[in-house]
Amino acid sequence: DTEVTQTPKHLVMGMTNKKSLKCEQHMGHRAMYWYKQKAKKPPELMFVYSYEKLSINESVPSRFSPECPNSSLLNLHLHALQPEDSALYLCASSQERIGGSPNYGYTFGSGTRLTVV
Amino acid sequence: GEDVEQSLFLSVREGDSSVINCTYTDSSSTYLYWYKQEPGAGLQLLTYIFSNMDMKQDQRLTVLLNKKDKHLSLRIADTQTGDSAIYFCAESEDNYGQNFVFGPGTRLSVLP
Repeated sequence: DTEVTQTPKHLVMGMTNKKSLKCEQHMGHRAMYWYKQKAKKPPELMFVYSYEKLSINESVPSRFSPECPNSSLLNLHLHALQPEDSALYLCASSQERIGGSPNYGYTFGSGTRLTVV
Repeated sequence: GEDVEQSLFLSVREGDSSVINCTYTDSSSTYLYWYKQEPGAGLQLLTYIFSNMDMKQDQRLTVLLNKKDKHLSLRIADTQTGDSAIYFCAESEDNYGQNFVFGPGTRLSVLP
């Protein structure tokens, strides 16, 4: 299995809703990431988990709450979002650096397209 | 801070070669990458190159790196309609993506 699976593929939510995005990988990767991608823009890093611990939080508003229950799963909990949060949310995973090996296997999921109404 | 620049659009005819260019500012960039994103999909790693290499070839893809000018290019030979996508150049100082800087993406349109 060489994939990162994200669910749901599409999500429409109101500004008062609570929802969660899910990401799963079974490649043994110990680093997992959330990115946000607005239309016609490159992805922007939101969160990095390394060995199930949050290692980087790129000043993301608290209405986005990540969770890494185990090494294969990554969630992004959403609450009280704004219409400007509508975007494609991408999950990725990778190996940790192993002696500088280039085979880090950085892999993106297909994303969840989120629309906040 | 680091910056990665790309031209935003490129149109080529099917069967021709495509050349997508990228410039970056970070002298400490160690790894440079090309990602492909098809409509509604995630990013697919096409290829990467270390900063101590000048060229890397992988089937129809050729990556050229001019480290002095901080210029990276991706050449796609015999471009097909299935190559139509957005191509992102990215750089990082490490090889596990925690410090990726992406360019704005080049939208490649392949005309029949």
